Amino acid sequence: EDQVTQSPEALRLQEGESSSLNCSYTVSGLRGLFWYRQDPGKGPEFLFTLYSAGEEKEKERLKATLTKKESFLHITAPKPEDSATYLCAVARDDKIIFGKGTRLHILP
Amino acid sequence: DTGVSQNPRHKITKRGQNVTFRCDPISEHNRLYWYRQTLGQGPEFLTYFQNEAQLEKSRLLSDRFSAERPKGSFSTLEIQRTEQGDSAMYLCASSVTESDYTFGSGTRLTVV
Repeated sequence: EDQVTQSPEALRLQEGESSSLNCSYTVSGLRGLFWYRQDPGKGPEFLFTLYSAGEEKEKERLKATLTKKESFLHITAPKPEDSATYLCAVARDDKIIFGKGTRLHILP
Repeated sequence: DTGVSQNPRHKITKRGQNVTFRCDPISEHNRLYWYRQTLGQGPEFLTYFQNEAQLEKSRLLSDRFSAERPKGSFSTLEIQRTEQGDSAMYLCASSVTESDYTFGSGTRLTVV
């Protein structure tokens, strides 16, 4: 069965302390891996789509990378406003399947 | 067009009552999805429309749940005889392709 597993479940960092979030996936024939950001009480907000191993995408302090088995979301010198839940998802059939997310808290 | 709109934002209902949620997608998006999200979990797929046709329903969608998308525009999700386990955030998303989802802010349902 297709699965998306994210780790860690929660992460607390000091402002400026860089780190990475992990998303491992098992899906036959990857048709896209997605990263979303979700703030409390709101819907997920699209960040990146990755399609093939070796692909990288960047946006401000975030960089997403993809291998054949996992994806990483690297956060460089984070700020308190980067605090959110980060969701990883994969395309399967005509829909996307989400992991449980990583709750990121950046302390000032 | 300012994005995907969901109403109401919050709904508190007594167990056994029926509730209906509405989703207005981005106008040019022909695909519309409903997801459910509980605390500490990622969104779980419920159902999917392409235009007015409901193409897939999850096993999570029991007989008490029904979704419609008349004329391929807005969509409604109805839950009959609500149970406490139905308490969750119900998210709607729309897209042009299978991957460029735009989510609404969700409807938070509390069943008491």
